[in-house]
Amino acid sequence: DSGVTQTPKHLITATGQRVTLRCSPRSGDLSVYWYQQSLDQGLQFLIQYYNGEERAKGNILERFSAQQFPDLHSELNLSSLELGDSALYFCASSVSAYSYEQYFGPGTRLTVT
Amino acid sequence: LAKTTQPISMDSYEGQEVNITCSHNNIATNDYITWYQQFPSQGPRFIIQGYKTKVTNEVASLFIPADRKSSTLSLPRVSLSDTAVYYCLVGVNTNAGKSTFGDGTTLTVKP
Repeated sequence: DSGVTQTPKHLITATGQRVTLRCSPRSGDLSVYWYQQSLDQGLQFLIQYYNGEERAKGNILERFSAQQFPDLHSELNLSSLELGDSALYFCASSVSAYSYEQYFGPGTRLTVT
Repeated sequence: LAKTTQPISMDSYEGQEVNITCSHNNIATNDYITWYQQFPSQGPRFIIQGYKTKVTNEVASLFIPADRKSSTLSLPRVSLSDTAVYYCLVGVNTNAGKSTFGDGTTLTVKP
């Protein structure tokens, strides 16, 4: 158990819908990262927040957005969902803003039908 | 971010030592080398990180030659439960927010 929690574990929704994925980092970690893992794309970095502020951005679509709240939990919002958005979404956390030592949550499996 | 090259797959048997090598010819002076393990449908797990020479923890050892153009993750006495994908990441910590995992090496441990 990494100490990072993600909810929900599974999510099934229809195209065009909007969903919110939630992540709680390890106690004491200030940095949260979001990743998408699909069969054909591998593990792709989406976005990073550190202590409430956006720190780094990867290949995140404009339909996706995220935020980190004062209690340090983070939410990833996915809108206008397409079939291709079906994937595992992982959240990771680290103590600092600059660390490859990241601790991953169990992921949320999103299925868009 | 340095480009890395790893074998796509490796096979081993229980009880053997496994060495997975990662090539990173364009590694920069401030880059660190980090390895992760991932089981199917689970999040990656941090294994080990190093800058030069040798690093060892309770799970693995990481060997980095003087030129740092490659690194080797060594797993002692593997078991069936070590069957997983292993990723090598190379980069400076200030770019950690843009971690690139690549395709990794699928290690299959056989009985």
